[in-house]
Amino acid sequence: GNSVTQMEGPVTLSEEAFLTINCTYTATGYPSLFWYVQYPGEGLQLLLKATKADDKGSNKGFEATYRKETTSFHLEKGSVQVSDSAVYFCALSDRDTGGFKTIFGAGTRLFVKA
Amino acid sequence: EAGVTQSPTHLIKTRGQQATLRCSPISGHTSVYWYQQALGLGLQFLLWYDEGEERNRGNFPPRFSGRQFPNYSSELNVNALELEDSALYLCASSRPRTGELFFGEGSRLTVL
Repeated sequence: GNSVTQMEGPVTLSEEAFLTINCTYTATGYPSLFWYVQYPGEGLQLLLKATKADDKGSNKGFEATYRKETTSFHLEKGSVQVSDSAVYFCALSDRDTGGFKTIFGAGTRLFVKA
Repeated sequence: EAGVTQSPTHLIKTRGQQATLRCSPISGHTSVYWYQQALGLGLQFLLWYDEGEERNRGNFPPRFSGRQFPNYSSELNVNALELEDSALYLCASSRPRTGELFFGEGSRLTVL
């Protein structure tokens, strides 16, 4: 079956540091890939997405490229801010009976220090 | 456009009681998903409803059940509550034929 594996946290960085959160997946079909972010006390919100191989999703300075050859979708940001402190979830969505089914990685908590 | 709304925001119950959580999807979204997020853990898939039917369920006991109404809103019921059911329950909706999920703020259930 499909699965998503992302690096364990927590990740602690200083402001303006470079961020990478690794995410790899296994899938039998041609899934869409997503990064969702959960700020403290809130639900999840979509950060970025990529629907096919070699697509790059980007939003708020974050980027991730859909790499089919390495089955990866690593999240990167060149300069993090304190406000980026949150939990980041990598997710995969693939066709299932009647629609799409989305599965999530375990989440990576990011702390950014001023 | 109104987002996904969930109620109640917080719910406190005792062991053995029943809890009912509600979710209203974004207008035009026909699929509703329920996830459980226990403290410190990731999202565990609970249930998926589409067009009024249960399409899939995660690895949870039968005391977790739900339904989707003709207006696509949904209800999650948890019977015979146990302490470990304490968690944030997140509802998400999606448009037809897409995998992008839109989440509500969640309902935090505490079982004493």
